[in-house]
Amino acid sequence: DGGITQSPKYLFRKEGQNVTLSCEQNLNHDAMYWYRQDPGQGLRLIYYSQIVNDFQKGDIAEGYSVSREKKESFPLTVTSAQKNPTAFYLCASSMGGPPTAFFGQGTRLTVV
Amino acid sequence: GIQVEQSPPDLILQEGANSTLRCNFSDSVNNLQWFHQNPWGQLINLFYIPSGTKQNGRLSATTVATERYSLLYISSSQTTDSGVYFCAGYYGNNRLAFGKGNQVVVIP
Repeated sequence: DGGITQSPKYLFRKEGQNVTLSCEQNLNHDAMYWYRQDPGQGLRLIYYSQIVNDFQKGDIAEGYSVSREKKESFPLTVTSAQKNPTAFYLCASSMGGPPTAFFGQGTRLTVV
Repeated sequence: GIQVEQSPPDLILQEGANSTLRCNFSDSVNNLQWFHQNPWGQLINLFYIPSGTKQNGRLSATTVATERYSLLYISSSQTTDSGVYFCAGYYGNNRLAFGKGNQVVVIP
């Protein structure tokens, strides 16, 4: 099946640990995105990438890092510098013009 | 600046009723999309609608780009329509900005 796969679905992190969220797509899309959603809120852009080996900070990049070594993969690392990491994380990809974004099922991260 | 504003924030509907959700967006935003977030959190594409009108079953959407707004119509609502509806628009280098959503509850 074509789509976007995020793993794991649920993730628990201890204070001070780095964790990596996986996002893989087989849609052959060039652009990929990471968003954060807090309860009752809209989605805020963390990082995005238009092509392999290139990525740009979004509105709330502090405490996060990404890589884009392959077209189909865009992992997000939540570092210990992120002070409030508990949230729902959504990955998306989109094709070129006209741009139409598709989303994965999300990863719910909880700090314990 | 980049603005995507949705109204109303919350809506309670009796099953079978019709409703309209509105999205206003700033000049730098275009190529609107509407999404439905299901109870498990996944965002489902409803419409890509930069302008004009599209229909899919009981849902339809209209974007008037010159007046910077888009409308999502839900007709004959069902309990499965409950959830959060998001409007999102592209700006800059294919960045996607979201509104805060319309929380819809359909009561049987």
